[in-house]
Amino acid sequence: DAGITQSPRHKVTETGTPVTLRCHQTENHRYMYWYRQDPGHGLRLIHYSYGVKDTDKGEVSDGYSVSRSKTEDFLLTLESATSSQTSVYFCAISETEVMNTEAFFGQGTRLTVV
Amino acid sequence: QKEVEQDPGPLSVPEGAIVSLNCTYSNSAFQYFMWYRQYSRKGPELLMYTYSSGNKEDGRFTAQVDKSSKYISLFIRDSQPSDSATYLCAMSTYNQGGKLIFGQGTELSVKP
Repeated sequence: DAGITQSPRHKVTETGTPVTLRCHQTENHRYMYWYRQDPGHGLRLIHYSYGVKDTDKGEVSDGYSVSRSKTEDFLLTLESATSSQTSVYFCAISETEVMNTEAFFGQGTRLTVV
Repeated sequence: QKEVEQDPGPLSVPEGAIVSLNCTYSNSAFQYFMWYRQYSRKGPELLMYTYSSGNKEDGRFTAQVDKSSKYISLFIRDSQPSDSATYLCAMSTYNQGGKLIFGQGTELSVKP
């Protein structure tokens, strides 16, 4: 299995609280991504990173921020969690800009906002 | 209208059947086409990857891309119960290869 770990794997939090999800990789891949998966929507890109301190917004970035201070870690923060952010969050890593055969997804973090 | 449309199913077939999964898309700039398999409560894993048009075969799996019709397909021959999973199509443009646009996934069940 590719060296990509998401933590926590499950979390329940209250509306209005900040939440940080962590993605850690041991593959030294340059590109890292955060997606969310919801019924009826497939996966949608939240934010991505193309290097340390280099990040950009994806399709559904409102309410989320990210940081990447080291190659191996990509953090996703929900600044003030809302019920609409209840979802399964997946981190992905890629060696190249194109997510081809050298791209891998983590196991997911199941977040519930009550 | 979504950029990528995929019938969510569920699709149930007997073991040994040929399975056909499909996606349509609206953005003619898509150049990279992928099929992911996702088991329950797991992350997606890449099954097939195709650049531009044409066919690609890998064992029991064949991916087809028809850019003129904006239509991609995944065929599974001699389907097995272990193929039971959700299959997601995904695609991206040439200059934004990391920004995958996913279909909503088709849930497949292969009955012994």
